[in-house]
Amino acid sequence: EAGVAQSPRYKIIEKRQSVAFWCNPISGHATLYWYQQILGQGPKLLIQFQNNGVVDDSQLPKDRFSAERLKGVDSTLKIQPAKLEDSAVYLCASKAGGSGEQFFGPGTRLTVL
Amino acid sequence: GESVGLHLPTLSVQEGDNSIINCAYSNSASDYFIWYKQESGKGPQFIIDIRSNMDKRQGQRVTVLLNKTVKHLSLQIAATQPGDSAVYFCAENSGAGSYQLTFGKGTKLSVIP
Repeated sequence: EAGVAQSPRYKIIEKRQSVAFWCNPISGHATLYWYQQILGQGPKLLIQFQNNGVVDDSQLPKDRFSAERLKGVDSTLKIQPAKLEDSAVYLCASKAGGSGEQFFGPGTRLTVL
Repeated sequence: GESVGLHLPTLSVQEGDNSIINCAYSNSASDYFIWYKQESGKGPQFIIDIRSNMDKRQGQRVTVLLNKTVKHLSLQIAATQPGDSAVYFCAENSGAGSYQLTFGKGTKLSVIP
């Protein structure tokens, strides 16, 4: 079974630029999550989707972050404009219905200069 | 929120010894808990989970203990191997049926050959 795919793996941008991350969850997983992991800390949930609907985006900084999952499969997370404090690893995870286990992708490491 | 910066708690153990990693969780209403292992440059990998109606669960070389009275979780790794070297996170589901995980601070396990 293929795991959660994310791209790009690494991205370096300057502050005030825009950036987008892509996630392809495990086939058949209806629930998709985006997390932000700052160096030395645990992942922090940004947004949760169930199919193409948002379950919770209470921790998403909506003035600069946006996410979508238009067809209930792939998802994109965008930051516009980026700030220095957005430097982190952005992790995507997916989950099958009825199970608590979240499967994580390898993450995208973002560096904002 | 919690912040540990770059200084994760570290546990160093001799190869072949048993390891015990501890975690204090925050929400007495949490009903599901997971331990994840994260190697450098990779996403978190599921190790073992436990529901709040249990106090112990065993897997292959790993055991999770849950003490709801003091809101404490522990992960025991038997016969620790060099491949066990990683950062270990506990996570609690505080989102009821929506399975929203809140991650702990993480512990870095170093195995001495």
